[in-house]
Amino acid sequence: DVKVTQSSRYLVKRTGEKVFLECVQDMDHENMFWYRQDPGLGLRLIYFSYDVKMKEKGDIPEGYSVSREKKERFSLILESASTNQTSMYLCASSSGGRSTGELFFGEGSRLTVL
Amino acid sequence: DAKTTQPPSMDCAEGRAANLPCNHSTISGNEYVYWYRQIHSQGPQYIIHGLKNNETNEMASLIITEDRKSSTLILPHATLRDTAVYYCIVKGSGNTGKLIFGQGTTLQVKP
Repeated sequence: DVKVTQSSRYLVKRTGEKVFLECVQDMDHENMFWYRQDPGLGLRLIYFSYDVKMKEKGDIPEGYSVSREKKERFSLILESASTNQTSMYLCASSSGGRSTGELFFGEGSRLTVL
Repeated sequence: DAKTTQPPSMDCAEGRAANLPCNHSTISGNEYVYWYRQIHSQGPQYIIHGLKNNETNEMASLIITEDRKSSTLILPHATLRDTAVYYCIVKGSGNTGKLIFGQGTTLQVKP
């Protein structure tokens, strides 16, 4: 069964802390994505990557960075967490080519910043 | 990528067909229609996609009008487990799979 695994289901951090959210996929997919989901705002794309060491800004990259050192792993980094980054974070992956719209999502990481 | 319009909510009786509409009047010729759903507290799940022809898989059917300005996702025999938010998304064949999610339709399947 194909799988996208996010390292933590729930996290609680303090303002100013550095936060790492890890995502691993076992499908040898080229593309990986980080979204955040907030009530009333839906899913918004933060960053995506279409290859190892490559990254592209999504719609709301401010306050975030990403790392893709290996094909299967895509990390989201909050350098200095703030309360407005309290959210559900969703990682996804997809293959390249014509099926690029079929994304596989992880279960999400709910981050609370106090 | 074209924008989509969906009703915010719908109800369906268990065992009956659920027909979820989506308008995408500005869709262009090379853009696909994708449907996802999100069950509470889980990540979105891909359901089906199509370009021009109607499509069917083990989860659902997708009916796209001839002018491609609207589509309908059909769950033939809705169950309580189909209660979810359903997203209709239009995207081109390129752009590395980036999807723009709208607000979707909350489908409530009732016993």
